[in-house]
Amino acid sequence: EPEVTQTPSHQVTQMGQEVILRCVPISNHLYFYWYRQILGQKVEFLVSFYNNEISEKSEIFDDQFSVERPDGSNFTLKIRSTKLEDSAMYFCASIQGEGQPQHFGDGTRLSIL
Amino acid sequence: SQQGEEDPQALSIQEGENATMNCSYKTSINNLQWYRQNSGRGLVHLILIRSNEREKHSGRLRVTLDTSKKSSSLLITASRAADTASYFCATDLKLTFGEGTQLTVNP
Repeated sequence: EPEVTQTPSHQVTQMGQEVILRCVPISNHLYFYWYRQILGQKVEFLVSFYNNEISEKSEIFDDQFSVERPDGSNFTLKIRSTKLEDSAMYFCASIQGEGQPQHFGDGTRLSIL
Repeated sequence: SQQGEEDPQALSIQEGENATMNCSYKTSINNLQWYRQNSGRGLVHLILIRSNEREKHSGRLRVTLDTSKKSSSLLITASRAADTASYFCATDLKLTFGEGTQLTVNP
């Protein structure tokens, strides 16, 4: 069965550095999402992306965050200047269409030192 | 907010017993979904129920939806140790998750 894949599985970065988290959604899916989960807390929505633009974003998704679909397969989340509180698991998800279940990747664990 | 809130927060049962988890939400929905998360892993979709459906089955899973009460329940029958995980409900396209129910199935 097709899967959403995320790389790297673990990223360690110095505070203030830029980081790019990568996702390859399922190939025929049209809607893409990023979520994060701080250790011990609930999964939080960051942003949704459809038709090459952001369709919705949360308060967490401030100017330090950006998303891009640079080609037909990758979907990236960039954090421009990381802060300690950005340490979390970041999950990518995709769906084929509205009303369909979301398929999640296994996440990238981001550790900011 | 269309946040799903699950209860109980934690549930511990013996293998073979049934486990029931509940979810409440705040606003009108098109569908409600249940997910499972093993520690440190991504979420796995279990079942989706649409707002015009009252009950849905998938293997050992049974989900009910009461839109008048804005609530849903997930029943896992004949539980197994491998069912140990956190279970979350979420609504519609922009999934908003609650804290989840941590289910522990003891062998």
